[in-house]
Amino acid sequence: DAKTTQPPSMDCAEGRAANLPCNHSTISGNEYVYWYRQIHSQGPQYIIHGLKNNETNEMASLIITEDRKSSTLILPHATLRDTAVYYCIVGNVAARQLTFGSGTQLTVLP
Amino acid sequence: GEEVAQTPKHLVRGEGQKAKLYCAPIKGHSYVFWYQQVLKNEFKFLISFQNENVFDETGMPKERFSAKCLPNSPCSLEIQATKLEDSAVYFCASSQTMTLRGEQFFGPGTRLTVL
Repeated sequence: DAKTTQPPSMDCAEGRAANLPCNHSTISGNEYVYWYRQIHSQGPQYIIHGLKNNETNEMASLIITEDRKSSTLILPHATLRDTAVYYCIVGNVAARQLTFGSGTQLTVLP
Repeated sequence: GEEVAQTPKHLVRGEGQKAKLYCAPIKGHSYVFWYQQVLKNEFKFLISFQNENVFDETGMPKERFSAKCLPNSPCSLEIQATKLEDSAVYFCASSQTMTLRGEQFFGPGTRLTVL
């Protein structure tokens, strides 16, 4: 599976959009980009995933660059409850496990 | 149930003692995964099951770790003769699919402390 690179930490003001970047320059054509988050010490929670088109759901939007070497997770209106570690994971859809990296600690500030 | 349940929440063992952790997957999910989180952000995949069958055990330290998923029972992860480095949070996840086509739903974890 391709490796991912994320900034270790980011801050965001409450109510503003949080944009979390992820580099995955060695991604291959059949690999998806997945985002999970871990709030405090709870179990990870699925957010969104995509292949090459931008995706949006009720939690977030995922923007994948045309060359697929990087992506951005967007939380449109961050709240204090969005404070968490966000993991960008790249994997073949046939993969049988999630391979977590070190993630980004997002802190939403009041 | 509609959530993955894990018991106990906390477990303390002396080095060399046995530890057994339990996981009840979401009803209707056939696939169960175990992950170990040693340091705050570092996850390690241990093992996965399709129903009661082991599907992928490439992450298991086989000499001391074992796991089962038996019909009509919670899945279990057992560590014989625990070591200090086994101290971690152990997460169980379940899914309707084995592959990454479907999201994995995680339980709240069991924090194992080996003294």
